[in-house]
Amino acid sequence: TAGITQAPTSQILAAGRSMTLRCTQDMRHNAMYWYRQDLGLGLRLIHYSNTAGTTGKGEVPDGYSVSRANTDDFPLTLASAVPSQTSVYFCASSVDRANTGELFFGEGSRLTVL
Amino acid sequence: AQKITQTQPGMFVQEKEAVTLDCTYDTSDPSYGLFWYKQPSSGEMIFLIYQGSYDQQNATEGRYSLNFQKARKSANLVISASQLGDSAMYFCAMREGHIGQNFVFGPGTRLSVLP
Repeated sequence: TAGITQAPTSQILAAGRSMTLRCTQDMRHNAMYWYRQDLGLGLRLIHYSNTAGTTGKGEVPDGYSVSRANTDDFPLTLASAVPSQTSVYFCASSVDRANTGELFFGEGSRLTVL
Repeated sequence: AQKITQTQPGMFVQEKEAVTLDCTYDTSDPSYGLFWYKQPSSGEMIFLIYQGSYDQQNATEGRYSLNFQKARKSANLVISASQLGDSAMYFCAMREGHIGQNFVFGPGTRLSVLP
């Protein structure tokens, strides 16, 4: 069972370059999320999508963009990477139920911006 | 303002003992869900337990239980009979109903189980 697949698992990127982190789920979940995880700060929400065709901003959206063309895919794009975007990025999805649906996570993408 | 507070950056517990990981939350929404996740050193996020704001009973899942005190806005995780494999980061999280899909996490507590 695949669940959520993220790619790449790890990447080193020069500052100023663009990068797209891919996320695909096969559970037909309506809601999808992108988080970044930094030491001491836990997971912070970057962007989310309630359903295909809609997206919303989370706590730390600046410097990132997302799209949701279909149910399965939710790519995260860094248009011009900066060193402060060095982090571990997690994609997640959930069933569209108010409150009760837990998040299912991908395995994470470790990004280093030099 | 922090919606989820975990005041214990690190905790130690002896194997086979019980341990409580603290979590307090802040919301004005009467409908919300509280979650705990485990992140071992391998990095994956593992869902442990869920508590709904309207649930009358505290949630339990095997050795995990959630001590839900609604008036105090606390949702502490209790792990009974700790095992070496319980050593990990533990995150408390909340999903608020009226916001829809907003799902926020606390900073986490690192639990170390000692043999």
